[in-house]
Amino acid sequence: DTEVTQTPKHLVMGMTNKKSLKCEQHMGHRAMYWYKQKAKKPPELMFVYSYEKLSINESVPSRFSPECPNSSLLNLHLHALQPEDSALYLCASSQVKVAGGLADTQYFGPGTRLTVL
Amino acid sequence: DQQVKQNSPSLSVQEGRISILNCDYTNSMFDYFLWYKKYPAEGPTFLISISSIKDKNEDGRFTVFLNKSAKHLSLHIVPSQPGDSAVYFCAASARSSGSARQLTFGSGTQLTVLP
Repeated sequence: DTEVTQTPKHLVMGMTNKKSLKCEQHMGHRAMYWYKQKAKKPPELMFVYSYEKLSINESVPSRFSPECPNSSLLNLHLHALQPEDSALYLCASSQVKVAGGLADTQYFGPGTRLTVL
Repeated sequence: DQQVKQNSPSLSVQEGRISILNCDYTNSMFDYFLWYKKYPAEGPTFLISISSIKDKNEDGRFTVFLNKSAKHLSLHIVPSQPGDSAVYFCAASARSSGSARQLTFGSGTQLTVLP
């Protein structure tokens, strides 16, 4: 089973709204990722969690707030977003190699299509 | 500076023929390479990978070739099927001093397999 699930599938929000994106995996992976993908562009890494701890934040604005409540779940809390934040938000997970290095094959969820009005 | 490049934004191939997708990289620290396939409005699906200690990896209709001296890899799909029509992303990963390894993606190639 290499399934990563994401909810909701689509989200439309105003600039003053607060919403959350959810991601879940049951593959026993201990690394989870958030990516942002604009149309006709490759995915851009936002955050990496390893063993439920934030290990990478790619200079993402504070209006995006990640949370990893347990090893299977990853949330992305959204507040005061801008229209340019409209994109496909992808969650991924991977094993963590021995000696701390993240394994290389990441498995992606279907994404949440976010539209900010 | 794009460290992973896919110079062909699109490729059309006849059903049953071979599809060859190309990817070039500049960072000599990359030691693991992956290909992902993406349908519209879906997440990327892992296809096949190759470690830098190998020059070829095969899985069914998919074969990835790595030429380290040229910093070039390619994905061969044979025979191509209409269901293979999608965007294909090349990605690379490098060892780092910390515990995290990141994927660097190319810009993607849209493959269209014509019936």
